[in-house]
Amino acid sequence: DAKTTQPPSMDCAEGRAANLPCNHSTISGNEYVYWYRQIHSQGPQYIIHGLKNNETNEMASLIITEDRKSSTLILPHATLRDTAVYYCIVRVSGTYKYIFGTGTRLKVLA
Amino acid sequence: EAQVTQNPRYLITVTGKKLTVTCSQNMNHEYMSWYRQDPGLGLRQIYYSMNVEVTDKGDVPEGYKVSRKEKRNFPLILESPSPNQTSLYFCASSLRPPPDTQYFGPGTRLTVL
Repeated sequence: DAKTTQPPSMDCAEGRAANLPCNHSTISGNEYVYWYRQIHSQGPQYIIHGLKNNETNEMASLIITEDRKSSTLILPHATLRDTAVYYCIVRVSGTYKYIFGTGTRLKVLA
Repeated sequence: EAQVTQNPRYLITVTGKKLTVTCSQNMNHEYMSWYRQDPGLGLRQIYYSMNVEVTDKGDVPEGYKVSRKEKRNFPLILESPSPNQTSLYFCASSLRPPPDTQYFGPGTRLTVL
């Protein structure tokens, strides 16, 4: 079954790049990897998604390994407002179900 | 303003008393979904809907019902709530099914005594 594995927590100094890893070794060949974040207990917020190539938008960059078994979300210049839980998500192949996992709690330190 | 709304935001109830949590979106989205969030377990999908009258089970559908009679509304029904359904619930919608971006509501904190 589709599954993601993330470290439970990470710290990052303000202004530095935050690199959040995710393992999704069971991902199917045509499934996207999505990243969302959740600040406190608010509704999760979309960040970025990708299939094979690296992706970048105004919030972050997504690096996906060539074998697609893992990916890294990069926040290039982390700010205190980036403190949140970050979720790496995949879809269960052949369905429209999402698997969220438990996420990484990122703490950005002043 | 484009948004997903949920009501109520907070609810305390007792075991066995039927309740409905409403979810509405004003973006003409086809795909809607319900999640629950529990400490240490992250978000888990309960049910999703591809369009009107089309619903399917997520990872943890037991004890829940949903309906999609109109495109904008996707209520979550607990016919006989139990304490293990105490949780934070989120509704989400996207224009089309995955891989479209999901937009989440503000959450409903439910306590079942």
